[in-house]
Amino acid sequence: GESVGLHLPTLSVQEGDNSIINCAYSNSASDYFIWYKQESGKGPQFIIDIRSNMDKRQGQRVTVLLNKTVKHLSLQIAATQPGDSAVYFCAENIGAGGTSYGKLTFGQGTILTVHP
Amino acid sequence: DTEVTQTPKHLVMGMTNKKSLKCEQHMGHRAMYWYKQKAKKPPELMFVYSYEKLSINESVPSRFSPECPNSSLLNLHLHALQPEDSALYLCASSQVFSLTDGYTFGSGTRLTVV
Repeated sequence: GESVGLHLPTLSVQEGDNSIINCAYSNSASDYFIWYKQESGKGPQFIIDIRSNMDKRQGQRVTVLLNKTVKHLSLQIAATQPGDSAVYFCAENIGAGGTSYGKLTFGQGTILTVHP
Repeated sequence: DTEVTQTPKHLVMGMTNKKSLKCEQHMGHRAMYWYKQKAKKPPELMFVYSYEKLSINESVPSRFSPECPNSSLLNLHLHALQPEDSALYLCASSQVFSLTDGYTFGSGTRLTVV
């Protein structure tokens, strides 16, 4: 079936660097995208989301970019900190009607390691 | 309250046991979900409830039986599980329409089948 995938399974950066995590999706019907952070022993934690009618959204230290032409999603983390070390998942939502609940499908995940 | 609470946090059960996982949220979300996550893998959707009615079953074996007794609670009843069912079981909730802030996940129940 259609799935969301990531280009890089691991990313290692120095504290203070900017991090970019990439994701490719294949389902053109997806209308809502979410980035999650998952730390060991915890559930996925919401970071930022973006709807399909947008191409960029900014949060605190994070930016999500959506390129619908090539079905690509990225998460940029500014001034990465050791506390940002975790697994990052992109997820795509295929809503029951517009941006509504439905099937949330996760990508394979990227392990981000931040060295002090 | 902006949390999804799952109990128990850890569960060890034999293949002939019957057990239940519980999930509770008080955010007024009317969509609730069960996901299964194996080690080093992404969460995989199992069931979706909307307004306390089952709306999606991702071809999950019948040894997993979900239940949504009211708008705040979601249960997953387990019976005759196999060792390969050992995983982290995650509950999530969301708004039904005009999603904002994604789906809220609990911390999960770490299930071990022996």
